[in-house]
Amino acid sequence: DQQVKQNSPSLSVQEGRISILNCDYTNSMFDYFLWYKKYPAEGPTFLISISSIKDKNEDGRFTVFLNKSAKHLSLHIVPSQPGDSAVYFCAASGGSNYKLTFGKGTLLTVNP
Amino acid sequence: EADIYQTPRYLVIGTGKKITLECSQTMGHDKMYWYQQDPGMELHLIHYSYGVNSTEKGDLSSESTVSRIRTEHFPLTLESARPSHTSQYLCASSAYSGKGTDTQYFGPGTRLTVL
Repeated sequence: DQQVKQNSPSLSVQEGRISILNCDYTNSMFDYFLWYKKYPAEGPTFLISISSIKDKNEDGRFTVFLNKSAKHLSLHIVPSQPGDSAVYFCAASGGSNYKLTFGKGTLLTVNP
Repeated sequence: EADIYQTPRYLVIGTGKKITLECSQTMGHDKMYWYQQDPGMELHLIHYSYGVNSTEKGDLSSESTVSRIRTEHFPLTLESARPSHTSQYLCASSAYSGKGTDTQYFGPGTRLTVL
C-alpha cells in the first residue's frame, strides 16, 4: 500500500507561469516532508522541506504548503523556468525513524 | 550539502558476475542508505546504516549485501548478478539537521544493466 502518492505522473507548464506539484500521504505518523528534483541518470537533489509544525516554507522560487488535516502537501514553483524540467519526488518520514518513504514522482516539463 | 560519490556511474555485466558498487561521502555523516529505482517508480530503500558496523535491510527485499567498516564508505555487493537486478542504484547519506529529522543527500547513482 503506497503511503506517499503523487497522482499526477506528468505536468506541463509555460515558462514564467506557476507550477504546482501535489502529494498526498496516508500515514499520520509522518511529520517531516521533503521535495527532491531528479534529472535522468542523476541522483535526486534536495529542494525544500517542511516540518509538520509549519504549514508553509519558502525558499526563493520554491514554496511548500502542508495541509495536515487533508494529509496533503504541494510544491509551488514561481516563476517556472525551462531548467526546472525534471522529475519531482515527494518524500516523508516520521518519528524517530529516519527512513524516507517516496512517491513515484511527477515529470515536470516547462516549455519556453 | 553532502559530497557523496558513487562509482561506477554505468555498469554492463553478464549474468553470474560478482559486482561491488562503491559509495563514499566526505561530510562525516553517520547515516547512509542504498536505494533502488526504476523509471516511473518510487525510490525503494534496500539497505541502511546508522553508523560503523551497523547495517540493516530496508523495506524492499534485495539479494545484495552491504558493509560499513568506515564512516565514509558504504559499498554494496551482488554475489551473482541476474537480469532482474538491472536498475539504478542510489546511495545517500544524512546527519541530524536540527530541523526535526535528517535531510538525505544523494550521490549521482549507478545505472546497472545485467545481460
